[in-house]
Amino acid sequence: GAVVSQHPSRVICKSGTSVKIECRSLDFQATTMFWYRQFPKQSLMLMATSNEGSKATYEQGVEKDKFLINHASLTLSTLTVTSAHPEDSSFYICSARDPRGTSGNEQFFGPGTRLTVL
Amino acid sequence: AQSVTQPDIHITVSEGASLELRCNYSYGATPYLFWYVQSPGQGLQLLLKYFSGDTLVQGIKGFEAEFKRSQSSFNLRKPSVHWSDAAEYFCAVGSNTGNQFYFGTGTSLTVIP
Repeated sequence: GAVVSQHPSRVICKSGTSVKIECRSLDFQATTMFWYRQFPKQSLMLMATSNEGSKATYEQGVEKDKFLINHASLTLSTLTVTSAHPEDSSFYICSARDPRGTSGNEQFFGPGTRLTVL
Repeated sequence: AQSVTQPDIHITVSEGASLELRCNYSYGATPYLFWYVQSPGQGLQLLLKYFSGDTLVQGIKGFEAEFKRSQSSFNLRKPSVHWSDAAEYFCAVGSNTGNQFYFGTGTSLTVIP
């Protein structure tokens, strides 16, 4: 199946700094990627849909100026948490839709990035 | 409105016992259904999926799920649970475009010796 990677797997930063998380599709081209946030012992909440070459679509309640998404190529989407605060500490997971064949209806998930803001 | 309900927040079973995790969905179109497993601090691993055809689908690690349209359910089953199956399980429903994905709140599985 399709493989999605994330980097870094863990990051600790100081309050007020910015952090960039990368999501890559390793063996396929993903025109659409998704960013989710997961709080401890809770489900995944979709933050935004990242479309290659165009602006991301944010879910209601997600601050687009705080969570900057860039999908500059067909294999890379980045999420930048700007001016991070402790409440931004969470597990961030990306996924990518493989448009090929029957897998077009499936999202492939990255391993996640644990962000801790001190 | 689209939604996924996993009624059981936490389930404990003995190793070797059978397992059934419940999932009910509400979706306005043809549902594409998935079960994922997540170990602590890890990403999601796909167990199985249903797009069409046979309503009983087989997945990895000995799991299976049955799609019942009349009950709007997609319950996950395993005949004999192993200690390594302890994890968080998420049911999800997606659109035929693959863009809209809705997750249930998850069921935490504990396996006791």
